[in-house]
Amino acid sequence: AQKVTQAQTEISVVEKEDVTLDCVYETRDTTYYLFWYKQPPSGELVFLIRRNSFDEQNEISGRYSWNFQKSTSSFNFTITASQVVDSAVYFCALRMDSSYKLIFGSGTRLLVRP
Amino acid sequence: DTEVTQTPKHLVMGMTNKKSLKCEQHMGHRAMYWYKQKAKKPPELMFVYSYEKLSINESVPSRFSPECPNSSLLNLHLHALQPEDSALYLCASSQDPRETGELFFGEGSRLTVL
Repeated sequence: AQKVTQAQTEISVVEKEDVTLDCVYETRDTTYYLFWYKQPPSGELVFLIRRNSFDEQNEISGRYSWNFQKSTSSFNFTITASQVVDSAVYFCALRMDSSYKLIFGSGTRLLVRP
Repeated sequence: DTEVTQTPKHLVMGMTNKKSLKCEQHMGHRAMYWYKQKAKKPPELMFVYSYEKLSINESVPSRFSPECPNSSLLNLHLHALQPEDSALYLCASSQDPRETGELFFGEGSRLTVL
């Protein structure tokens, strides 16, 4: 069975702190894709990153970075020098090869206080 | 600004009403999706349209009726809903249903059933 676990329900940090959002996934497939989405209060899910199972290279995009480790089935997301605008719910998701379905984790609500 | 547009943003309806949610995208995407999101929960897949044909129905009750008039439009017709159907309904699209690229989401239609 496929599953995504985001154990952190809510995280609160002060602006400029670094914060890491954890994501652990389960699948027996060898080809799969991992995603992170941000959902601000407006409701729209904003795509942040997609990683396929064969690419374990970490990625950095501005203040955002992602650490993909197949050995621990984790795909963690770090925000460096957090800002108030980063406050949102963040979802990690898993998609099998040739499957329509995105399997979402339960989400982590991030609150960045000024 | 999101490239997936949903209307209306808010809808209140009684259990005997008939209403529709609309979704439009002009990115040339050939897969379109309806998701339902209850408060503090991740989105759940309802329907998938691939090249304007219904590909997946995730055992959704018949009081929800999807329609895809053309490659840019997706409707969700609502009839005889229950209060527990109150939720945020998200539309999404992706480039090709055979690919596992990212989904682009709209801001959603927040539905309240009285």
